[in-house]
Amino acid sequence: GENVEQHPSTLSVQEGDSAVIKCTYSDSASNYFPWYKQELGKGPQLIIDIRSNVGEKKDQRIAVTLNKTAKHFSLHITETQPEDSAVYFCAAGKLGMEYGNKLVFGAGTILRVKS
Amino acid sequence: DTEVTQTPKHLVMGMTNKKSLKCEQHMGHRAMYWYKQKAKKPPELMFVYSYEKLSINESVPSRFSPECPNSSLLNLHLHALQPEDSALYLCASSQDGLAAQQYFGPGTRLTVT
Repeated sequence: GENVEQHPSTLSVQEGDSAVIKCTYSDSASNYFPWYKQELGKGPQLIIDIRSNVGEKKDQRIAVTLNKTAKHFSLHITETQPEDSAVYFCAAGKLGMEYGNKLVFGAGTILRVKS
Repeated sequence: DTEVTQTPKHLVMGMTNKKSLKCEQHMGHRAMYWYKQKAKKPPELMFVYSYEKLSINESVPSRFSPECPNSSLLNLHLHALQPEDSALYLCASSQDGLAAQQYFGPGTRLTVT
């Protein structure tokens, strides 16, 4: 089955700096890679996702890059703000499965943005 | 609107109790999911319903019984739980089984005493 590894487990940055979180996956058939942000006491919130036919995707301060050959993908947050502090999860899944899109999550990264 | 609602927010139950968790979405999504999340861990998939039919059961113990009465509602019936079942139970939905984006609810914090 799919296995997703996520690094680092904790990340502290100064406000305004950039933050990068990296994930690797094992199943070459995986073709969908979302990133979720989870704040304390809340459910995971989808912040950005990428499909395997795309190498990079941006949404304002957030970007995701995908290297299919190396089977890794990364989340980049620029100009970090205190409200970016949360737990971030990467995940891998396979699109086109009629029975449901089964996601396998990484272990999570605690991001702390110091002001 | 990408809102998934879950009730109750918190639930404390004894090992002999029977209780139910409820999830609702009004986005017209036809796939719904139950996840379990232990503290400081990622969500783990339990069940998937696609067009109101159970399509994935991740070898979940029978003391957890899912139900999908209609396309907007998803229930999780709980019976004879163990203390190790204490966790955050998350519901999610996607447009259909082929759709990528899953949207999560806020979860129900379950404590089994």
